[in-house]
Amino acid sequence: GAGVSQSPSNKVTEKGKDVELRCDPISGHTALYWYRQSLGQGLEFLIYFQGNSAPDKSGLPSDRFSAERTGGSVSTLTIQRTQQEDSAVYLCASSLEAGVLGEQFFGPGTRLTVL
Amino acid sequence: AQSVTQLDSQVPVFEEAPVELRCNYSSSVSVYLFWYVQYPNQGLQLLLKYLSGSTLVKGINGFEAEFNKSQTSFHLRKPSVHISDTAEYFCAVSTRGGGGNKLTFGTGTQLKVEL
Repeated sequence: GAGVSQSPSNKVTEKGKDVELRCDPISGHTALYWYRQSLGQGLEFLIYFQGNSAPDKSGLPSDRFSAERTGGSVSTLTIQRTQQEDSAVYLCASSLEAGVLGEQFFGPGTRLTVL
Repeated sequence: AQSVTQLDSQVPVFEEAPVELRCNYSSSVSVYLFWYVQYPNQGLQLLLKYLSGSTLVKGINGFEAEFNKSQTSFHLRKPSVHISDTAEYFCAVSTRGGGGNKLTFGTGTQLKVEL
């Protein structure tokens, strides 16, 4: 596709439910990032995938959060037992190469609302 | 750990007037610096970046920023704004070394250009 796509664009769920957020990176991009944009806070890094290397999970806020990237392409961010504080916009970005020289291209985000 | 401060949450300005969006960062190591723009209902787009070399960096849409190491600042400027510049602007840093390019963002500045 022309850019990074994310689905769904909006997700409303009840507290305690599990949710899955999907990211389709730009074809050929080896690096993939997840960020979270909460109201009143800046975007915060969650997790980073690069090729077949082990992901950098240093930004995940709790063990309820996990992510995988299948076949080096599509990624899914899973939040288990959602809490109200998980409400945010979740952004995915991909880049052609890892490191600072790889410009990150962002998707439109998934707005998650936990009731 | 690094942090980014954008003191101005909103900046109103008249069309054709100059504008400066302020960004200060904190880091114990050398950093790379970025400005991103988010137009309404769109994903984040890279405006410009400072990696090394000249401290004055020019980006897209007539924007420029100057890296000031002594003041730990990376303010964004445009000599004459247009209505189409209305958007939210995010300053971000990443640190040298390590894998990937994990960005730490500020909370954003909403630029509103008025006629």
